[in-house]
Amino acid sequence: DAKTTQPPSMDCAEGRAANLPCNHSTISGNEYVYWYRQIHSQGPQYIIHGLKNNETNEMASLIITEDRKSSTLILPHATLRDTAVYYCILRRSNRDDKIIFGKGTRLHILP
Amino acid sequence: AAGVIQSPRHLIKEKRETATLKCYPIPRHDTVYWYQQGPGQDPQFLISFYEKMQSDKGSIPDRFSAQQFSDYHSELNMSSLELGDSALYFCASSSGSRGELFFGEGSRLTVL
Repeated sequence: DAKTTQPPSMDCAEGRAANLPCNHSTISGNEYVYWYRQIHSQGPQYIIHGLKNNETNEMASLIITEDRKSSTLILPHATLRDTAVYYCILRRSNRDDKIIFGKGTRLHILP
Repeated sequence: AAGVIQSPRHLIKEKRETATLKCYPIPRHDTVYWYQQGPGQDPQFLISFYEKMQSDKGSIPDRFSAQQFSDYHSELNMSSLELGDSALYFCASSSGSRGELFFGEGSRLTVL
């Protein structure tokens, strides 16, 4: 069963903010929200993760709703190089827990 | 910074042959994961190792085996290859202090 739901595809104009939504209504208290992306046929790349507070790093911001049932990944100034499949993943806090990829969102950055 | 190294990057085999893929994790990472990604598919978890012991197992065929060695590198052995084994195989590593997985660039296996 898929634990996260993402739109299959999205478009965003270059230079604009890309907002990628994710629903995870059955999230458990010990599950983190992770985001990865995969640029065509390259290895998946870690972007950001959070538990309940909003997080920001050099790549993106992660906004998690107060009830933790949904989140949004924000790429503040999208470039053509951000065209990729973006995966929203729930992961337990266990140090050696695997990540399970769902269907993801295919983000197209338009010039 | 050092990344996860996978070899070979490309491999072509015939049906029923054997293939071995190697993965060298980031230094001081103690956990290794293997994933398989078929054409047009999302990466599928195969197996993982923590401190040289198998820690989790996914949809790995019985024809496949893997291990993690004393230097923490890992090898994925695939026997009796089938056409459907043609895929990208990714290795990832992580450490206890930071939970995120770092992926290599993958090994592309083509079975003819």
